[in-house]
Amino acid sequence: KQEVTQIPAALSVPEGENLVLNCSFTDSAIYNLQWFRQDPGKGLTSLLLIQSSQREQTSGRLNASLDKSSGRSTLYIAASQPGDSATYLCAVDTDKLIFGTGTRLQVFP
Amino acid sequence: SAVISQKPSRDICQRGTSLTIQCQVDSQVTMMFWYRQQPGQSLTLIATANQGSEATYESGFVIDKFPISRPNLTFSTLTVSNMSPEDSSIYLCSVLFSGRVPFFGPGTRLTVL
Repeated sequence: KQEVTQIPAALSVPEGENLVLNCSFTDSAIYNLQWFRQDPGKGLTSLLLIQSSQREQTSGRLNASLDKSSGRSTLYIAASQPGDSATYLCAVDTDKLIFGTGTRLQVFP
Repeated sequence: SAVISQKPSRDICQRGTSLTIQCQVDSQVTMMFWYRQQPGQSLTLIATANQGSEATYESGFVIDKFPISRPNLTFSTLTVSNMSPEDSSIYLCSVLFSGRVPFFGPGTRLTVL
């Protein structure tokens, strides 16, 4: 059974810091891995999707890496801003999308 | 891309009653999924609903509690039966499109008193 874990569960940092969010999964037989953002009371916003054959994807200040063999992905956020405050979820696609436990991020001015 | 709608968007229900949530997609899709998001938690997959076959339930979820219908390639329903306060959650439907890109409905916020 695929299990997806995210560390840390919560993070509070001052504005401007570079951040690393971690995602680990137990079964490496995945099609892809995706990072989402969820604002309180809102739906999911897709940030980055990494195919199983890829090593990383970048979008603006976000960079996600994937090491399928070790069952790990990281989301790097450069120069964090208060607007980055949200819950970040990773999800692995193995015929169905299995979500991680989430990281609640707060960036304060 | 896909546009997914859910009805109702929210509801407040009494313990012991049932609620049926509808999910409508603007194009035909093979794979449709139902998720639950309990307060402060991540999304948990309830079941996979494919047209023409019975839904496949994840561990911890049973058909008697969460019956699912999938009458065609654009529509599905999830019923939450004999509700208790522990069923208070957001319920989301999701589809996978070409390239295995997921799309999510806006969710149904359920409160059980």
